[in-house]
Amino acid sequence: QITLKESGPTMVKPTQTLTLTCTFSGFSLTSSGVGVAWIRQPPGKALEWLTLIYWDDDKRYSPSLKTRLTITKDTSKNQVVLTMTNMTLVDTATYYCAHHLPYCINGVCSSALDYWGQGTLVTVSS
Amino acid sequence: DIQMTQSPSSLSASVGDRVTITCRASQSIARFINWYQQKPGKPPKFLIYAASNLQTGVPSRFSGSGSGTDFTLTISSLQPEDFATYYCQESYTSPPYTFGQGTKLEIK
Repeated sequence: QITLKESGPTMVKPTQTLTLTCTFSGFSLTSSGVGVAWIRQPPGKALEWLTLIYWDDDKRYSPSLKTRLTITKDTSKNQVVLTMTNMTLVDTATYYCAHHLPYCINGVCSSALDYWGQGTLVTVSS
Repeated sequence: DIQMTQSPSSLSASVGDRVTITCRASQSIARFINWYQQKPGKPPKFLIYAASNLQTGVPSRFSGSGSGTDFTLTISSLQPEDFATYYCQESYTSPPYTFGQGTKLEIK
């Protein structure tokens, strides 16, 4: 049974750095192909893909947020950490982490997000 | 980046109706599209991968189709628990994997 849970501050001030932790169970981030992604959703708005870390420590970022995001993993603790710098009001959102599921069909491979945490609402306010 | 455009943005339907939601990619993504369902206050639920493959446990009234740039999610006979917001997501080549803006399915 795969589970993920986000933790971190519920409120940060403008210009501060946000640090969120995703603690997971039911899979290992040392297994080939596995990854953990972060996605956010402003209140009443759509999902926005942020970043992904793979089992081999390869990292991918949203181009529009790349300069502000850092993703790291601690496989001994089964945790993935998201850092976002210079927070502003528009960064108010629910932040989700999710299990990145690789799959291959007829030799062609892709991926999906099959298990999600419950999300954590982060409010940016002075 | 690839852009994903869903239509309609909202839709009213009744229990038992057949409903189709469309997602268009800004470039060809072969069949690399996923679909998710989200209910208020809950995380998204993974429904379909590779355009037409149902995730384990997803009811067979859900189906997906399409390739290239145009894709559809169809619910053959709406059930009360299907009223939610639906998102498509492209998973072509390498990340970032963009989501559509969502389609809110409401009870008529």
